[in-house]
Amino acid sequence: IAGITQAPTSQILAAGRRMTLRCTQDMRHNAMYWYRQDLGLGLRLIHYSNTAGTTGKGEVPDGYSVSRANTDDFPLTLASAVPSQTSVYFCASSDRAGDGYTFGSGTRLTVV
Amino acid sequence: GQNIDQPTEMTATEGAIVQINCTYQTSGFNGLFWYQQHAGEAPTFLSYNVLDGLEEKGRFSSFLSRSKGYSYLLLKELQMKDSASYLCAVRDRGNAGNMLTFGGGTRLMVKP
Repeated sequence: IAGITQAPTSQILAAGRRMTLRCTQDMRHNAMYWYRQDLGLGLRLIHYSNTAGTTGKGEVPDGYSVSRANTDDFPLTLASAVPSQTSVYFCASSDRAGDGYTFGSGTRLTVV
Repeated sequence: GQNIDQPTEMTATEGAIVQINCTYQTSGFNGLFWYQQHAGEAPTFLSYNVLDGLEEKGRFSSFLSRSKGYSYLLLKELQMKDSASYLCAVRDRGNAGNMLTFGGGTRLMVKP
């Protein structure tokens, strides 16, 4: 692994189903983030974690939950998917010193 | 909150120079970032400004004026591979962490 790995790359999901998007980094970055990217709306923050064991809500947290049991992993869970959650989801991490984000390659999710 | 504005689309000719503007409003400015994102790919870090002035990196330069809430990204000697979206992002001191708020992105098309 080099950088950030997201899985799956893409997924078609039936509405009402539960889904976890995985994110793993090997850079020992303290902070991790989940964004969704929609055409015309740019990247919007869903949840963040400044360090292992802590999480916080971003701009659009409803319908999503996260956990940060260790430094490397930051999974995003959709408890009961709805069509409005169709989007491209990016996980990112950063060093506290603030050199900007490193992004994962994204997960394209379609809820039908 | 934060408000970040940048043009939706721009077109330029191969070999030319293009300037992509970004204006922002934030209560506690703590840095401005530019990212490049090719279609279907993750954003990649281009530049970071926290003090007024110009930062140059090869063909790319970024300028910041904190008093005007204004930045631009300057791309010189345009190449076809520069066709991409360019994202302006602002970090706010009030954020609990290193979180960035992104503008909607500027889609740049480079024509021969």
